[in-house]
Amino acid sequence: GAVVSQHPSRVICKSGTSVKIECRSLDFQATTMFWYRQFPKQSLMLMATSNEGSKATYEQGVEKDKFLINHASLTLSTLTVTSAHPEDSSFYICSASEPQGAQYEQYFGPGTRLTVT
Amino acid sequence: AQKVTQAQTEISVVEKEDVTLDCVYETRDTTYYLFWYKQPPSGELVFLIRRNSFDEQNEISGRYSWNFQKSTSSFNFTITASQVVDSAVYFCALSEALNFNKFYFGSGTKLNVKP
Repeated sequence: GAVVSQHPSRVICKSGTSVKIECRSLDFQATTMFWYRQFPKQSLMLMATSNEGSKATYEQGVEKDKFLINHASLTLSTLTVTSAHPEDSSFYICSASEPQGAQYEQYFGPGTRLTVT
Repeated sequence: AQKVTQAQTEISVVEKEDVTLDCVYETRDTTYYLFWYKQPPSGELVFLIRRNSFDEQNEISGRYSWNFQKSTSSFNFTITASQVVDSAVYFCALSEALNFNKFYFGSGTKLNVKP
């Protein structure tokens, strides 16, 4: 099956700094990628939908100025957590959508664990 | 309103026991997909199954089986003869015809299989 990678897998940063997380579709072109956030022992919550070449669509309650999403190519989307604070510590998971005929298959990345100190 | 409900927060069983994880969903669409994913401690989501709303046939894959009942809006997952390696958090998810790419995840059920 298709593979989606994320980099880095773990990152620790200091409060006030910005962190960039990359999501890549390795063997297919993904016109749409998704970013999820998962707090410890909780479910995955969709943060935003990232479309190649256009602005991301954010879910209600997600600060677009804090979580910057760029989908510059068909194989790469980035999530930048700006001015990170300890409450931003979470597990961030991306997924990429590949057209399969009239439908789409969605593949999840392995996740990035962000710790803000 | 929550679209996917997994009422069981955590289940503990002893190895070789059968266990069923419940999933109840809510949607107004007649066309939708239901999914189950496994999330081991490493965090990576492992795809288990996808079922579309028009296919109510139960499915069996090795020790795993799924019971889809539209009448009760449920899509339950049973592990037969559980093993320690089955210990993980299991998520049920729904996507709707309006946007098949958008997943609504349940809160997850943590399964502990003890030797």
